[in-house]
Amino acid sequence: DAGITQSPRYKITETGRQVTLMCHQTWSHSYMFWYRQDLGHGLRLIYYSAAADITDKGEVPDGYVVSRSKTENFPLTLESATRSQTSVYFCASRVDGTNYGYTFGSGTRLTVV
Amino acid sequence: TQLLEQSPQFLSIQEGENLTVYCNSSSVFSSLQWYRQEPGEGPVLLVTVVTGGEVKKLKRLTFQFGDARKDSSLHITAAQPGDTGLYLCAGVQGGATNKLIFGTGTLLAVQP
Repeated sequence: DAGITQSPRYKITETGRQVTLMCHQTWSHSYMFWYRQDLGHGLRLIYYSAAADITDKGEVPDGYVVSRSKTENFPLTLESATRSQTSVYFCASRVDGTNYGYTFGSGTRLTVV
Repeated sequence: TQLLEQSPQFLSIQEGENLTVYCNSSSVFSSLQWYRQEPGEGPVLLVTVVTGGEVKKLKRLTFQFGDARKDSSLHITAAQPGDTGLYLCAGVQGGATNKLIFGTGTLLAVQP
C-alpha cells in the first residue's frame, strides 16, 4: 500500500537497551522527519533528512541516532533508552518545494521501563 | 527558538456551536499550516496559508493568516461531533529545509 508506515506501533523496552523505530515511505519523497509528541510539549523535531545520506539535528536530538541509506527508509535508534524517552514517535515525509504539507505515519508508542 | 502558542488549549462545545482557535507567535513565518490529529493517529494536513491576510475555506472551516504572517486563526461553523480532535498549527521556517514548528495544540470535543 502507498503511504508512510511505522513499526512497531507499540514497544516496551527496558532502560539502557537499544531500540530502533522503523519508518518507510512509498512516494520517494526527499524529505523525512522524526518527531516526538509529549503532553505539554507538543510535537518536537528530533532529526530530519533532506535526501539519502543527508541528515541533520532538530530541536531534541540527544540520545537518538538516525541513518538514511535508502530514500524510502529513515530508522530512528535510541542508543541507550531512558525513561525520559517514553513518548509517541511520529515519522513524516514531504515533497520537495516550499509550503507543502507533511504526511505523517500513525506513530510508535514507546514506553521505557 | 520560535514558539507558536495556541488558544484555547481545551474546548468542549455542543453540536451546532461556532468556535475559533488562535495561533500566535512573535516570529514571522513564510507560511502556516493547520493539521488535525485523531487519537492513535498522526496529524493530517487541513490547509496551508501562504500570503499575509489570506483566507481559505474548507467546507465549515475558515482559516486566516495574519497580515504580518505571525498569527493565524481557525473558525469552525456549526461544529459536528466528527470535528472532535487535536488541532495543530505549524509555522514553516524559511530556508532550504522549510522545517515545521508546531504549536501547542487545541483539543476540541464536540458533544452531540
